[in-house]
Amino acid sequence: GALVYQYPRRTICKSGTSMRMECQAVGFQATSVAWYRQSPQKTFELIALSTVNSAIKYEQNFTQEKFPISHPNLSFSSMTVLNAYLEDRGLYLCGARDWGQNTLYFGAGTRLSVL
Amino acid sequence: SQLAEENSWALSVHEGESVTVNCSYKTSITALQWYRQKSGKGPAQLILIRSNERDNRNGRLRATLDTSSQSSSLSITATRCEDTAVYFCATERGNYKPTFGKGTSLVVHP
Repeated sequence: GALVYQYPRRTICKSGTSMRMECQAVGFQATSVAWYRQSPQKTFELIALSTVNSAIKYEQNFTQEKFPISHPNLSFSSMTVLNAYLEDRGLYLCGARDWGQNTLYFGAGTRLSVL
Repeated sequence: SQLAEENSWALSVHEGESVTVNCSYKTSITALQWYRQKSGKGPAQLILIRSNERDNRNGRLRATLDTSSQSSSLSITATRCEDTAVYFCATERGNYKPTFGKGTSLVVHP
């Protein structure tokens, strides 16, 4: 079956430092990967949509300079949170799907805490 | 602005009862999806209903879509304790970027 693994599951970083999170798709081709941040109140914010062989599209209030994303092949994507501060806390989720398919498969998320 | 919203913050039922979660949205859509997120997990898609469909089922789950009132509902029959989760509707506009509502927390008591 189709699965998405995210790691690390939890991370704590000092204010002003950076952390990288990874997303691995198994059992299908992750042609597009959407990165979301979920707040403690459960609200989802779309950060960016990454499609293999295409430019990464960031949503308003999110930039490549702050959240650089790599999507080098059909099974892997990574995102870094640069210079993390308290407002960057949350559960970062990657949702991946194959081109033309309706089902978006999510990983369990990387929970970022910032001290 | 929020493009998809569930209409209830929290619901509570007893096992075996039926429950309905409602969702409204504000723009034209190509499809609407219902997701369930259990504690410590990512969201899992339950049902997708396209804009030209009115009804879709998946086992004990039934989703309806009314594009004229821009609303959708997800009904769960014969609820079980394992249905306890947060339920989200997410709208799609053909751009591969689902927009999620704020979620409805469902607790199913034994």
